[in-house]
Amino acid sequence: NAGVTQTPKFQVLKTGQSMTLQCAQDMNHEYMSWYRQDPGMGLRLIHYSVGAGITDQGEVPNGYNVSRSTTEDFPLRLLSAAPSQTSVYFCASTRTGGRTEAFFGQGTRLTVV
Amino acid sequence: AQSVSQHNHHVILSEAASLELGCNYSYGGTVNLFWYVQYPGQHLQLLLKYFSGDPLVKGIKGFEAEFIKSKFSFNLRKPSVQWSDTAEYFCAVNPTGRRALTFGSGTRLQVQP
Repeated sequence: NAGVTQTPKFQVLKTGQSMTLQCAQDMNHEYMSWYRQDPGMGLRLIHYSVGAGITDQGEVPNGYNVSRSTTEDFPLRLLSAAPSQTSVYFCASTRTGGRTEAFFGQGTRLTVV
Repeated sequence: AQSVSQHNHHVILSEAASLELGCNYSYGGTVNLFWYVQYPGQHLQLLLKYFSGDPLVKGIKGFEAEFIKSKFSFNLRKPSVQWSDTAEYFCAVNPTGRRALTFGSGTRLQVQP
């Protein structure tokens, strides 16, 4: 019963590098999303997807790309890392129908130097 | 766009003291309401949720919250805190029928033994 799995847990990047944060869920949830957590700001929505092949922007999408080729996976790509993207990133998934909560992964702590 | 305010940023209590954390949201329509907890170094876990019905909801670990529609509030309470309740607490809302969550900035609770 894995739930939402994120990799890696920690990452250090140099400014300008690119990388992909992985997120996978095994609950067959249609809705998946990425948040970043910064001190004093709570969690802010970066991108979300309501199903395979469908993605949309959240509150803070600049500098990030996503794709959703399968129901299970929702990777987040940093195109050219900047120090302002130093943050903790959380992936979440939610069942589409009915009333339900979001389930979160363990998070990825990213530092851009 | 909706917003969520958590007015207490850092709360320090002694064990056995009572806890109340404030949460107010701004949104004109029907919302779903959540409290999540993040223990040090861990991911977000659901404490409790409100969709409809009885405005007093009970969650895990002795927490409860009351939805007061006229005040747009969803305050979290616990009659007697324990050292193990030391964590950060986030209030979150989403409009009914949507999955994207808007989070408050969080309240860091420190319980002293």
